[in-house]
Amino acid sequence: DQQVKQNSPSLSVQEGRISILNCDYTNSMFDYFLWYKKYPAEGPTFLISISSIKDKNEDGRFTVFLNKSAKHLSLHIVPSQPGDSAVYFCAASAFTGRRALTFGSGTRLQVQP
Amino acid sequence: DAGITQSPRHKVTETGTPVTLRCHQTENHRYMYWYRQDPGHGLRLIHYSYGVKDTDKGEVSDGYSVSRSKTEDFLLTLESATSSQTSVYFCAISLTELLPYEQYFGPGTRLTVT
Repeated sequence: DQQVKQNSPSLSVQEGRISILNCDYTNSMFDYFLWYKKYPAEGPTFLISISSIKDKNEDGRFTVFLNKSAKHLSLHIVPSQPGDSAVYFCAASAFTGRRALTFGSGTRLQVQP
Repeated sequence: DAGITQSPRHKVTETGTPVTLRCHQTENHRYMYWYRQDPGHGLRLIHYSYGVKDTDKGEVSDGYSVSRSKTEDFLLTLESATSSQTSVYFCAISLTELLPYEQYFGPGTRLTVT
C-alpha cells in the first residue's frame, strides 16, 4: 500500500520550458512534504519543502504547490535546465515522533537542450 | 555538505554471510536513519535512531539490526544476507530538531548478495 505515489516514471521537457512533477498521497496525517533530487551514484539531495499550513512555497526556480483537499502536490521548475535532469522523489512525513519520511517511487526528468 | 560518510561504498557478498554497513557523521546530530532504495519503491525506512542506544524499527526492518554506541556512528547489520537484500543503502541525518523532517543523505552503499 503506497501512501505516496508518483504515477509518472519519466518526464521529458525542452530546456527553458516548465517542468511539472506530480505526487499524490493517501495518508491524511501527513503534515509536511518534501522534494528530493537524485543524480546517479549519489545520495538524494533536499530541494524544497512545504508545510500543510501552506499551499505554495518558492525557492528560486522551484515552486511546490500543495492541494490538501485533493491530497496532491506538484513541483514546478521554471525555466528547466539540462542540469535539472535527475530523478525526483516526493516525500511526506507525519509528526508521530518517528520523524521518518515516506517516499514516492520517483520521476526521472530529462531536460533536452 | 552534512558531513556524512558511508562505508563501504560497494560490497559483494554471498548469501548467508553477515554484513555490516557503517554511517559516520561529523557533527553530532541526534537523528539518524537507514533507508534502502529499490526500483519502483523509492526509499524505504529500515531503522532509525534518536540518540546513543536509542533505536527503533522502520517499515522494512526484517533481517536487519542496528547499533549506535556513539553519536557519530550508526551501524546497519544484515545478520545473514539474502538476495532480496541486494539494494542501495542510504544513511540520513536530520540537521535540526526544529525541522526534523528535512533529512540529508549520505552517498550510499551498493550491496550485492550473490
